[in-house]
Amino acid sequence: EVQVLESGGGLVQSGGSLRLSCAASGFTFSSYAMIWVRQGPGKGLEWLSAISASAGTTYYADSVKGRFTISRDNSKNTVYLQMNSLRDEDTGVYFCAKGRGYVTPDHWGQGALVTVSS
Amino acid sequence: QSALSQPASVSGSPGQSITISCTGTSSDVGAYDHVSWYQQHPGKAPKVMIYDVSNRPSGVSSRFSGSKSDNTASLTISGLQAEDEADYYCSSYTSSRTEVFGTGTKVTVL
Repeated sequence: EVQVLESGGGLVQSGGSLRLSCAASGFTFSSYAMIWVRQGPGKGLEWLSAISASAGTTYYADSVKGRFTISRDNSKNTVYLQMNSLRDEDTGVYFCAKGRGYVTPDHWGQGALVTVSS
Repeated sequence: QSALSQPASVSGSPGQSITISCTGTSSDVGAYDHVSWYQQHPGKAPKVMIYDVSNRPSGVSSRFSGSKSDNTASLTISGLQAEDEADYYCSSYTSSRTEVFGTGTKVTVL
């Protein structure tokens, strides 16, 4: 059974940094792209970033480009999202997902709550 | 990249069929057959119901079907059931090599 589990969420001050982790199991991690998506309070889904299976290629939404960095460690079946220069509007639930193709989410985790407070 | 356009809400009675539209542009929905649909119950993670326009993952009810015409994709739920009440989001691959989600549709079973 495919499972992804996010961790590392919490409360951070505006301008601060936070790193999310996502541990995956139940599939050959090194063969699939991994995706990050967020959902603001009471809002819709927003695609943020993706990383190829080999970590050779990364993709970002314009809203986080230059502030967020996606990475992965295939030896640990884990993908990361380093978030810098956080803003109030970055508050939300951050979902990690196994990819279908290069950038499309497939199986999703339960999410990690990030609260940015000024 | 602007969000794909979906109706804010759609409702139907048990047993009826409803259709949710998802309108994009020639740079996303119209350009690729990589449209997905997700179901999200309150407080839960999204679940893929349709991928690549009309394909159903294993375990998803055949009551869910997808289609696409030009820049608009559609999700049809037939034989509406109480458990179908949820938020639904479409998504599409884009020419920028990213993914874009729809604005979301709340489905209410009357």
